[in-house]
Amino acid sequence: NFMLTQPHSVSESPGKTVIIPCTGSGGSIASSYVQWYRQRPGSVPTTVIYEDQKRPSGVPDRFSGSIDSSSNSASLTISGLEPEDEADYYCQSYDNDNRGVFGGGTKLTVL
Amino acid sequence: QVQLVESGGGVVQPERSLRLSCAASGFTFNNHGMHWVRQAPGKGLEWVAVVWYDSRNTYYSDSVKGRFTISRDNSRNTVHLQMNSLRPEDTAVYYCARDHKGWPTYYFDNWGQGTLVTVHS
Repeated sequence: NFMLTQPHSVSESPGKTVIIPCTGSGGSIASSYVQWYRQRPGSVPTTVIYEDQKRPSGVPDRFSGSIDSSSNSASLTISGLEPEDEADYYCQSYDNDNRGVFGGGTKLTVL
Repeated sequence: QVQLVESGGGVVQPERSLRLSCAASGFTFNNHGMHWVRQAPGKGLEWVAVVWYDSRNTYYSDSVKGRFTISRDNSRNTVHLQMNSLRPEDTAVYYCARDHKGWPTYYFDNWGQGTLVTVHS
């Protein structure tokens, strides 16, 4: 089964850059697009990156996404960290059997 | 604007059934696939099921396959999740989510506020 694995937590200081990795297993991460969702406490998830690297309108260009086929991983990069970036971040895709797949989520702390 | 409003959640005993509904508005409903995604208390997101724009295809996670049924009524702009043989591990907030396209791309571009399902005796 295709799975996505994320670190449980990451932390960084305001103004710095953080990279959240999402490693695929049981299949190629490049086979289908990867999305990234942000979920603040008590709130509904919202999209920060879709189709590997696209940003929905309203998401600042401090957020970027990438895919690395050689390591079978996706990454979410957030530059110029702000306190309001503190949230849970989930990568997501789907498998060859048309089942959606989420990573376990990464809690970002902005120190 | 896009609105997705879930209903039907509540407290139910194990092995009983519950039917969730999601009322959609603000967009052309039959142009989009629709998903259910759940989140157990304090846990991560889990994809549950999808129905294509025309109901031609449905797919389920292994954890609910054979117990849950997703369906849609394009005349009423609603999507349903019939949940049978409920288990305590089905306890979660259930979100209705719109797919970006009709044949699902699994990009959930709009989400409802969720409805809580609690399964316990």
